[in-house]
Amino acid sequence: QSALTQPASVSGSPGQSITISCTGTSRDVGAYNYVSWYQQYPGKAPKLMIYDVSNRPSGVSNRFSGSKSDNTASLTISGLQAEDEADYYCSSYTGSSTLGVFGTGTKVTVL
Amino acid sequence: EVQLVQSGAEVKKPEESLKISCKGSGYSFTNYWIGWVRQMPGKGLEWMGMIYPGDSDIRYSLSFQGQVTISADKSISTAYLQWSSLKASDTAMYYCARKINAQLAGLNFDYWGQGTLVTVSS
Repeated sequence: QSALTQPASVSGSPGQSITISCTGTSRDVGAYNYVSWYQQYPGKAPKLMIYDVSNRPSGVSNRFSGSKSDNTASLTISGLQAEDEADYYCSSYTGSSTLGVFGTGTKVTVL
Repeated sequence: EVQLVQSGAEVKKPEESLKISCKGSGYSFTNYWIGWVRQMPGKGLEWMGMIYPGDSDIRYSLSFQGQVTISADKSISTAYLQWSSLKASDTAMYYCARKINAQLAGLNFDYWGQGTLVTVSS
């Protein structure tokens, strides 16, 4: 199972909105509404930011939102803040035999 | 408070065996999948597999099938990841994580352990 494709880096200025894409295939992202997004700071464990395409766990800022169109999922961070500078990973369900795969990861830089 | 506490860092030699642990607390351990995720130095996340402690249903990523063994002891709310013969390429940080619900679908892990660094070097 190949990793989902994410841009290596995305940057934006404070207050701006940025969008991170996560491209898969019709066998993963396009087939199921089970896309999750994680935020990871260096040396720390990942944190779940979005699950099931667009649901936010309790405590996650509403500046983070998720969506999906065909084989591509997206994470949008609005009102970009310095604390949003981190690595972000998507993941998708891939069916009952292989279960899932992560994306390649995107480094977000706040200019 | 939900917590996953992992065992400490390990330094091993190639071909040695290893078993690392992940102890859950603050929730019903048997009712949630526990997954394992590898992160090699400077690299991304890789899903390895997961276990449902309630009935010991275990699922492996194809990439890790046969390379590691996942198990759990529900009597002590602890999940395990083990190797029978380590390789230098197993050097990585390993995280355990709890799925957000009992559903099989989705790599949606809402609570994570602090990670166990495994270093394999001769």
